Amino acid sequence: DIQMTQSPSTLSASVGDRVTITCRASQSISRWLAWYQQKPGKAPKLLIYETSTLQSGVPSRFSGSGSGTEFTLTISRLQPDDFATYYCQHYKSPTFGQGTKVEIK
Amino acid sequence: QVQLQEWGPGLVKPSQTLSLTCTVSGGSIGSGGHYWSWIRQHPGKGPELIGYIYYSGTTYYNPSFKSRVTIAVDTSKNQLSLRLTSLTAADTALYYCARGLSYGSGSYYPDYWGQGILVTVSS
Repeated sequence: DIQMTQSPSTLSASVGDRVTITCRASQSISRWLAWYQQKPGKAPKLLIYETSTLQSGVPSRFSGSGSGTEFTLTISRLQPDDFATYYCQHYKSPTFGQGTKVEIK
Repeated sequence: QVQLQEWGPGLVKPSQTLSLTCTVSGGSIGSGGHYWSWIRQHPGKGPELIGYIYYSGTTYYNPSFKSRVTIAVDTSKNQLSLRLTSLTAADTALYYCARGLSYGSGSYYPDYWGQGILVTVSS
Protein backbone atom coordinates (compact mmCIF):
# COMPACT_ATOMS: atom_id res chain seq x y z
CA ASP A 1 0.00 0.00 0.00
CA ILE A 2 1.13 3.55 -0.72
CA GLN A 3 1.75 5.56 2.44
CA MET A 4 1.12 9.31 2.57
CA THR A 5 3.07 11.41 5.07
CA GLN A 6 2.04 14.97 5.81
CA SER A 7 4.23 17.59 7.45
CA PRO A 8 4.26 19.46 9.66
CA SER A 9 1.55 18.10 11.96
CA THR A 10 1.04 21.58 13.44
CA LEU A 11 1.93 24.94 11.99
CA SER A 12 1.73 28.27 13.84
CA ALA A 13 1.30 31.29 11.60
CA SER A 14 -0.01 34.85 11.51
CA VAL A 15 -2.58 36.48 9.28
CA GLY A 16 -0.85 37.49 6.05
CA ASP A 17 1.81 34.78 6.24
CA ARG A 18 2.66 32.46 3.37
CA VAL A 19 2.06 28.89 4.50
CA THR A 20 3.24 25.65 2.90
CA ILE A 21 2.14 22.12 3.80
CA THR A 22 3.87 19.07 2.36
CA CYS A 23 2.54 15.62 1.53
CA ARG A 24 4.96 12.85 0.55
CA ALA A 25 4.04 9.51 -1.01
CA SER A 26 6.01 6.30 -0.44
CA GLN A 27 6.01 5.78 -4.21
CA SER A 28 5.00 7.77 -7.27
CA ILE A 29 1.32 8.65 -7.47
CA SER A 30 1.52 10.77 -10.61
CA ARG A 31 -0.81 13.74 -9.95
CA TRP A 32 -3.60 11.84 -8.22
CA LEU A 33 -3.77 13.99 -5.11
CA ALA A 34 -6.42 16.16 -3.46
CA TRP A 35 -6.34 18.61 -0.56
CA TYR A 36 -9.11 19.27 1.98
CA GLN A 37 -9.77 21.84 4.67
CA GLN A 38 -11.64 20.87 7.82
CA LYS A 39 -12.86 23.16 10.57
CA PRO A 40 -13.95 21.90 14.01
CA GLY A 41 -17.36 20.23 13.90
CA LYS A 42 -17.58 20.47 10.12
CA ALA A 43 -17.09 18.07 7.24
CA PRO A 44 -13.94 18.32 5.15
CA LYS A 45 -14.15 20.67 2.18
CA LEU A 46 -12.41 19.94 -1.11
CA LEU A 47 -9.89 22.66 -1.98
CA ILE A 48 -7.75 21.19 -4.75
CA TYR A 49 -7.87 18.07 -6.91
CA GLU A 50 -5.48 16.51 -9.39
CA THR A 51 -2.60 18.19 -7.51
CA SER A 52 -3.23 21.75 -8.68
CA THR A 53 -6.82 22.28 -9.90
CA LEU A 54 -8.74 24.64 -7.65
CA GLN A 55 -12.25 23.47 -6.75
CA SER A 56 -14.95 25.93 -7.79
CA GLY A 57 -15.43 28.70 -5.24
CA VAL A 58 -12.10 28.21 -3.49
CA PRO A 59 -10.09 31.44 -3.11
CA SER A 60 -7.10 31.86 -5.39
CA ARG A 61 -4.75 32.29 -2.41
CA PHE A 62 -4.81 28.48 -2.24
CA SER A 63 -2.59 26.62 -4.68
CA GLY A 64 -1.21 23.12 -5.09
CA SER A 65 1.84 21.77 -6.84
CA GLY A 66 4.01 18.69 -7.17
CA SER A 67 4.13 15.35 -8.91
CA GLY A 68 5.45 11.89 -8.30
CA THR A 69 6.12 11.64 -4.58
CA GLU A 70 6.18 15.21 -3.25
CA PHE A 71 3.27 17.63 -3.16
CA THR A 72 2.60 20.98 -1.54
CA LEU A 73 -0.40 23.06 -0.58
CA THR A 74 0.38 26.77 -0.34
CA ILE A 75 -1.72 29.54 1.13
CA SER A 76 -0.25 32.74 -0.23
CA ARG A 77 -1.58 35.15 2.40
CA LEU A 78 -3.19 33.48 5.37
CA GLN A 79 -6.63 34.84 6.27
CA PRO A 80 -8.53 34.43 9.57
CA ASP A 81 -10.89 31.97 7.90
CA ASP A 82 -7.97 29.69 6.96
CA PHE A 83 -7.14 28.50 10.48
CA ALA A 84 -8.18 24.86 10.21
CA THR A 85 -6.81 21.36 9.67
CA TYR A 86 -5.70 20.36 6.19
CA TYR A 87 -5.55 16.83 4.77
CA CYS A 88 -4.03 15.41 1.63
CA GLN A 89 -5.57 12.38 -0.06
CA HIS A 90 -4.17 10.08 -2.71
CA TYR A 91 -7.03 8.92 -4.90
CA LYS A 92 -6.05 5.25 -4.62
CA SER A 93 -5.52 5.22 -0.87
CA PRO A 94 -8.53 4.66 1.40
CA THR A 95 -6.90 6.72 4.16
CA PHE A 96 -6.18 10.44 4.12
CA GLY A 97 -3.00 12.05 5.42
CA GLN A 98 -2.58 12.56 9.15
CA GLY A 99 -3.49 16.23 8.87
CA THR A 100 -1.80 19.58 9.44
CA LYS A 101 -3.37 21.92 11.94
CA VAL A 102 -2.80 25.58 11.07
CA GLU A 103 -3.12 27.58 14.25
CA ILE A 104 -2.78 31.22 15.20
CA LYS A 105 0.74 32.24 16.24
CA GLN B 1 -25.56 22.63 -5.24
CA VAL B 2 -25.75 19.05 -4.07
CA GLN B 3 -26.51 18.46 -0.40
CA LEU B 4 -26.24 15.23 1.56
CA GLN B 5 -27.79 14.37 4.91
CA GLU B 6 -27.00 11.28 6.95
CA TRP B 7 -29.41 9.73 9.38
CA GLY B 8 -29.61 6.68 11.60
CA PRO B 9 -29.00 5.57 15.19
CA GLY B 10 -26.40 7.39 17.21
CA LEU B 11 -25.87 4.47 19.59
CA VAL B 12 -25.42 0.82 18.66
CA LYS B 13 -24.49 -2.15 20.83
CA PRO B 14 -21.33 -4.20 20.25
CA SER B 15 -21.70 -7.13 17.83
CA GLN B 16 -24.80 -5.51 16.31
CA THR B 17 -25.25 -4.07 12.82
CA LEU B 18 -25.10 -0.39 11.93
CA SER B 19 -27.53 0.87 9.31
CA LEU B 20 -27.22 4.43 8.03
CA THR B 21 -29.03 6.23 5.24
CA CYS B 22 -28.03 9.32 3.28
CA THR B 23 -30.53 11.47 1.43
CA VAL B 24 -29.23 13.44 -1.54
CA SER B 25 -30.80 16.70 -2.69
CA GLY B 26 -29.80 19.13 -5.42
CA GLY B 27 -28.52 16.28 -7.58
CA SER B 28 -29.64 12.88 -8.80
CA ILE B 29 -27.80 9.66 -7.96
CA GLY B 30 -29.36 8.06 -11.03
CA SER B 31 -28.03 10.65 -13.47
CA GLY B 32 -24.57 9.08 -13.30
CA GLY B 33 -21.20 10.76 -13.53
CA HIS B 34 -20.54 10.62 -9.79
CA TYR B 35 -19.86 7.98 -7.21
CA TRP B 36 -21.43 7.96 -3.78
CA SER B 37 -19.52 6.97 -0.72
CA TRP B 38 -19.35 6.43 2.99
CA ILE B 39 -16.37 7.78 4.87
CA ARG B 40 -15.65 7.73 8.58
CA GLN B 41 -13.40 9.71 10.84
CA HIS B 42 -12.18 8.92 14.34
CA PRO B 43 -11.67 11.95 16.60
CA GLY B 44 -8.38 13.68 15.87
CA LYS B 45 -7.62 11.41 12.89
CA GLY B 46 -7.82 11.73 9.15
CA PRO B 47 -10.87 10.45 7.27
CA GLU B 48 -11.02 6.85 6.03
CA LEU B 49 -12.96 5.67 2.99
CA ILE B 50 -15.32 2.78 3.74
CA GLY B 51 -16.47 2.30 0.16
CA TYR B 52 -18.33 3.82 -2.76
CA ILE B 53 -21.03 2.91 -5.25
CA TYR B 54 -22.18 3.96 -8.70
CA TYR B 55 -25.87 4.29 -9.54
CA SER B 56 -25.64 1.04 -11.52
CA GLY B 57 -24.74 -0.82 -8.32
CA THR B 58 -21.02 -1.21 -8.98
CA THR B 59 -19.20 -1.01 -5.67
CA TYR B 60 -15.72 -0.66 -4.24
CA TYR B 61 -15.02 -1.49 -0.62
CA ASN B 62 -11.95 -0.65 1.44
CA PRO B 63 -10.31 -4.06 2.05
CA SER B 64 -10.24 -3.24 5.77
CA PHE B 65 -14.04 -3.44 5.80
CA LYS B 66 -14.76 -5.78 2.94
CA SER B 67 -16.23 -8.66 4.90
CA ARG B 68 -18.46 -6.45 7.05
CA VAL B 69 -19.79 -3.74 4.76
CA THR B 70 -22.59 -3.33 2.25
CA ILE B 71 -23.32 -0.09 0.41
CA ALA B 72 -26.46 0.26 -1.69
CA VAL B 73 -28.35 2.92 -3.62
CA ASP B 74 -32.06 3.53 -4.08
CA THR B 75 -32.32 5.79 -7.11
CA SER B 76 -36.09 6.14 -6.73
CA LYS B 77 -35.58 7.75 -3.31
CA ASN B 78 -32.23 9.37 -4.20
CA GLN B 79 -30.65 7.69 -1.21
CA LEU B 80 -27.62 5.61 -0.39
CA SER B 81 -27.22 3.31 2.55
CA LEU B 82 -24.51 1.73 4.66
CA ARG B 83 -24.67 -1.54 6.52
CA LEU B 84 -21.75 -2.44 8.78
CA THR B 85 -21.87 -5.67 10.76
CA SER B 86 -20.13 -7.07 13.83
CA LEU B 87 -19.54 -3.70 15.43
CA THR B 88 -16.89 -3.10 18.08
CA ALA B 89 -15.88 -0.03 20.05
CA ALA B 90 -13.32 0.68 17.31
CA ASP B 91 -16.22 1.49 14.98
CA THR B 92 -17.17 4.48 17.13
CA ALA B 93 -16.62 7.43 14.77
CA LEU B 94 -18.19 10.21 12.77
CA TYR B 95 -19.72 8.75 9.60
CA TYR B 96 -20.09 10.84 6.45
CA CYS B 97 -21.76 10.23 3.13
CA ALA B 98 -20.20 12.00 0.16
CA ARG B 99 -20.32 12.47 -3.58
CA GLY B 100 -17.17 12.07 -5.59
CA LEU B 101 -15.37 11.00 -8.72
CA SER B 102 -13.57 7.80 -9.60
CA TYR B 103 -10.86 7.03 -12.14
CA GLY B 104 -11.02 3.27 -11.95
CA SER B 105 -11.50 0.69 -9.25
CA GLY B 106 -10.17 1.92 -5.95
CA SER B 107 -9.47 5.42 -7.25
CA TYR B 108 -11.76 8.01 -5.71
CA TYR B 109 -11.92 11.48 -4.26
CA PRO B 110 -14.99 13.07 -2.64
CA ASP B 111 -16.06 16.58 -3.67
CA TYR B 112 -19.16 17.16 -1.53
CA TRP B 113 -19.77 15.79 1.96
CA GLY B 114 -22.73 15.53 4.29
CA GLN B 115 -22.42 17.04 7.75
CA GLY B 116 -21.79 13.65 9.34
CA ILE B 117 -23.42 11.57 12.05
CA LEU B 118 -21.69 10.45 15.23
CA VAL B 119 -22.07 6.74 15.90
CA THR B 120 -21.12 5.34 19.29
CA VAL B 121 -20.73 1.60 19.81
CA SER B 122 -21.38 0.82 23.44
CA SER B 123 -23.46 -1.52 25.59
